[in-house]
Amino acid sequence: AQSVSQHNHHVILSEAASLELGCNYSYGGTVNLFWYVQYPGQHLQLLLKYFSGDPLVKGIKGFEAEFIKSKFSFNLRKPSVQWSDTAEYFCAVTFSSGSARQLTFGSGTQLTVLP
Amino acid sequence: GAVVSQHPSRVICKSGTSVKIECRSLDFQATTMFWYRQFPKQSLMLMATSNEGSKATYEQGVEKDKFLINHASLTLSTLTVTSAHPEDSSFYICSAPNPPGGRKGYTFGSGTRLTVV
Repeated sequence: AQSVSQHNHHVILSEAASLELGCNYSYGGTVNLFWYVQYPGQHLQLLLKYFSGDPLVKGIKGFEAEFIKSKFSFNLRKPSVQWSDTAEYFCAVTFSSGSARQLTFGSGTQLTVLP
Repeated sequence: GAVVSQHPSRVICKSGTSVKIECRSLDFQATTMFWYRQFPKQSLMLMATSNEGSKATYEQGVEKDKFLINHASLTLSTLTVTSAHPEDSSFYICSAPNPPGGRKGYTFGSGTRLTVV
């Protein structure tokens, strides 16, 4: 069955540190990839998405992610985090199977940035 | 960890009928439930936030009378698509805040693929 894995449950960084959050999926077919952020008390917001084309995707707030098909990965990166980046980050994958599309979320990574 | 059970996972209904989608928090109480919808080739869109014992808060542009949300208990929130039309065909997913004392964050249901024919 298709699945999405985020192995880091909680990441704690100091301001200005670099960030990389892992996301792996298991599926051999066509996928669409998303990273969402959820700030405390708020709903999900889209950071970036990949459908096709350049596998290096740039999103809002200085985030980027790279789709590496051979590794089934879509890791999220930011060169220098800020305290305001403290939030929960979700990787999500749409798996295409025929005419059906199933969106599956990873379990999320809680990022805490210390001032 | 926290689990949100969402049913059904897939449903096909005729135009004009109503469909109910349930999200249950297993082993924890969810006073809040977020309901999202995903259009093809787009990201999730927040439809509404349900709160146990009070009226749901709908996002701008979401028809309250069409998408009925009920949060009658601390473990169950439902979304009913009334008089469904083909344009309501979409992927619907719910999310609840994790319970206190455990891992911070939110847990998602497995989603419901609705097809209106």
